[in-house]
Amino acid sequence: EAGVAQSPRYKIIEKRQSVAFWCNPISGHATLYWYQQILGQGPKLLIQFQNNGVVDDSQLPKDRFSAERLKGVDSTLKIQPAKLEDSAVYLCASSFWGLAAGTGELFFGEGSRLTVL
Amino acid sequence: KNEVEQSPQNLTAQEGEFITINCSYSVGISALHWLQQHPGGGIVSLFMLSSGKKKHGRLIATINIQEKHSSLHITASHPRDSAVYICAASRFGNEKLTFGTGTRLTIIP
Repeated sequence: EAGVAQSPRYKIIEKRQSVAFWCNPISGHATLYWYQQILGQGPKLLIQFQNNGVVDDSQLPKDRFSAERLKGVDSTLKIQPAKLEDSAVYLCASSFWGLAAGTGELFFGEGSRLTVL
Repeated sequence: KNEVEQSPQNLTAQEGEFITINCSYSVGISALHWLQQHPGGGIVSLFMLSSGKKKHGRLIATINIQEKHSSLHITASHPRDSAVYICAASRFGNEKLTFGTGTRLTIIP
């Protein structure tokens, strides 16, 4: 079974530039999460999708971050313009979600490490 | 107070020791996840449990719903177990995950 795919693995940009990260979840997984993990900290949820609908984006800095999950499969996370404090690993995770079954096991991608200079 | 608390934050032990990491939560959950993150690596799901106990190799996870407490145990610890262990609670209804702050485990040969 293929895992959660993310790209790029590494990205270095200058502040005020833009960047986009891509995530392909495990086939059939309805729930997709984007997390930001700053060095030394735990993951922070940016946005949670259920199919192509947004369940929670309360911690997404919407002035500069955007995310979409067209057709309920792949997802893209964009940052424009980037700030120094956006340097972090951006993790994508997916799970099968049924209201009766609960979250299901989480599967994480390898992450995309962003360095903003 | 965080909704999910882990202890200890850091743990150093000798190879072969029995390890326990604790997780307490204050919200209603549908499941509790234990995750492992190696330095520079991605996150791997170890367990997802909503009651009782699960075992996989040298790893054991338990949960007490009444006390809102879960533990991760490692028997016969090995240096390759060195990693950050994170518990995360998924909440009833929206399945939003709340993460603990993680426990950095170092096993010395």
